[in-house]
Amino acid sequence: QQQVKQSPQSLIVQKGGISIINCAYENTAFDYFPWYQQFPGKGPALLIAIRPDVSEKKEGRFTISFNKSAKQFSLHIMDSQPGDSATYFCAASSGGSNYKLTFGKGTLLTVNP
Amino acid sequence: NAGVTQTPKFRVLKTGQSMTLLCAQDMNHEYMYWYRQDPGMGLRLIHYSVGEGTTAKGEVPDGYNVSRLKKQNFLLGLESAAPSQTSVYFCASKLTAYTNEQFFGPGTRLTVL
Repeated sequence: QQQVKQSPQSLIVQKGGISIINCAYENTAFDYFPWYQQFPGKGPALLIAIRPDVSEKKEGRFTISFNKSAKQFSLHIMDSQPGDSATYFCAASSGGSNYKLTFGKGTLLTVNP
Repeated sequence: NAGVTQTPKFRVLKTGQSMTLLCAQDMNHEYMYWYRQDPGMGLRLIHYSVGEGTTAKGEVPDGYNVSRLKKQNFLLGLESAAPSQTSVYFCASKLTAYTNEQFFGPGTRLTVL
C-alpha cells in the first residue's frame, strides 16, 4: 500500500516558469511533510518542510502548499532555473512512528534554459 | 565535519556473494537508516536503528542484516546477494527521535550479476 502518492513522474519546465509537484497521503496520523531534493549522483537533501498547522510555507523561490482536508500537499518552484533540475521527493512521517519517513516515488524535474 | 559517509561508492557482486556496506556519521546522531533507491520506486526503508546496539526492520528488510555496534557506524550486510538487490543504497541519520531532518550519505551503487 503506497501511503504517499506523487505526481507527475517527470516534468519539463522552461526557465522562469513555475514548477508544481503534487503529493497525496492516506495516513491521517502524518504530521510532518518534507520535500527532498536530489541531484544526480548525490544523496537527497532536505529542501523545505511543513507541519499541518499551517497551509503554506515559503522559503525563497520554494513554497509548500498544504491542504489538510484533501490530504494533499504540493511544491511550487517559482522562477524555475536550470540549476533546479533534479529529482524531488515528497515524504511524510508521524511522531507515533518516531518520524520514520515514507517517501513518494519522486519527480524528475528538467528546467530548460 | 564529514557528515554521513558511505563505503564503498560502487561494487559489483556475483549472485550468492556476500558483502557489507559501511555507513559512518560524525554528528553524534542517535538514529540511522538504510534505504534503497530503485528507478520509479522512490526511497524504501530497509532497516533502521534508534541507538547503539539496537536495530529494527523497515519496509523491505528481507535479504539484509544490519548491526550498530558503535553509535557512529551502521553496517548493512548482504549474506547471499541476488540480482534483485541491484540498487543504489543510501544511509541517513538524524539527531534524536524528536528532530525531523534526515541527513543522507552520497550512496553506494551495487550491481549483482
